[in-house]
Amino acid sequence: DAGVIQSPRHEVTEMGQEVTLRCKPISGHDYLFWYRQTMMRGLELLIYFNNNVPIDDSGMPEDRFSAKMPNASFSTLKIQPSEPRDSAVYFCASSLPGLKTEAFFGQGTRLTVV
Amino acid sequence: EDQVTQSPEALRLQEGESSSLNCSYTVSGLRGLFWYRQDPGKGPEFLFTLYSAGEEKEKERLKATLTKKESFLHITAPKPEDSATYLCAVGSYNTDKLIFGTGTRLQVFP
Repeated sequence: DAGVIQSPRHEVTEMGQEVTLRCKPISGHDYLFWYRQTMMRGLELLIYFNNNVPIDDSGMPEDRFSAKMPNASFSTLKIQPSEPRDSAVYFCASSLPGLKTEAFFGQGTRLTVV
Repeated sequence: EDQVTQSPEALRLQEGESSSLNCSYTVSGLRGLFWYRQDPGKGPEFLFTLYSAGEEKEKERLKATLTKKESFLHITAPKPEDSATYLCAVGSYNTDKLIFGTGTRLQVFP
């Protein structure tokens, strides 16, 4: 398996623009997590899905952030409108069923909002 | 509230100089403690899972141990290629999600 695949790897956008980040989880994994990583706050969980259903979105910072998982092999994280403070590395991770399994991470999307 | 604290924030070692990284945690019902390695520009890479106090796991120069309050990642005779940020995370039975610490940035010099 190719692992968790994220696109794009880098995104530079202007303040106010819409940004969409994409993720393809590992086949057979039914948990999908979206994290944001910054120097100040480390890795923060934004939202996670189980079997394509959002379970906990309490980490989503504002209504400007939204996430969807239309099927088991694809998820998006959208920011509209984007702001400079959204600049960070966004990671997607997936894991197998069961509470004792580890999560596998993608390579991340580095977002810069100017 | 579930919490993870890692120390030190940064560690500089000479090649061959063994040391330990600490991960202190507070969690209601530990279902697993996870160690990850992260290289610059990459996603975290899974290393170990520990499930109960007293458990130990080893991989090459790394050994992870677990007590009821903390975990240690021991690095024996490190090499420059061990330089990375090491992240610790805990999962509880109350939730499916992992709570991460802020990591220890390890640099090993030849």
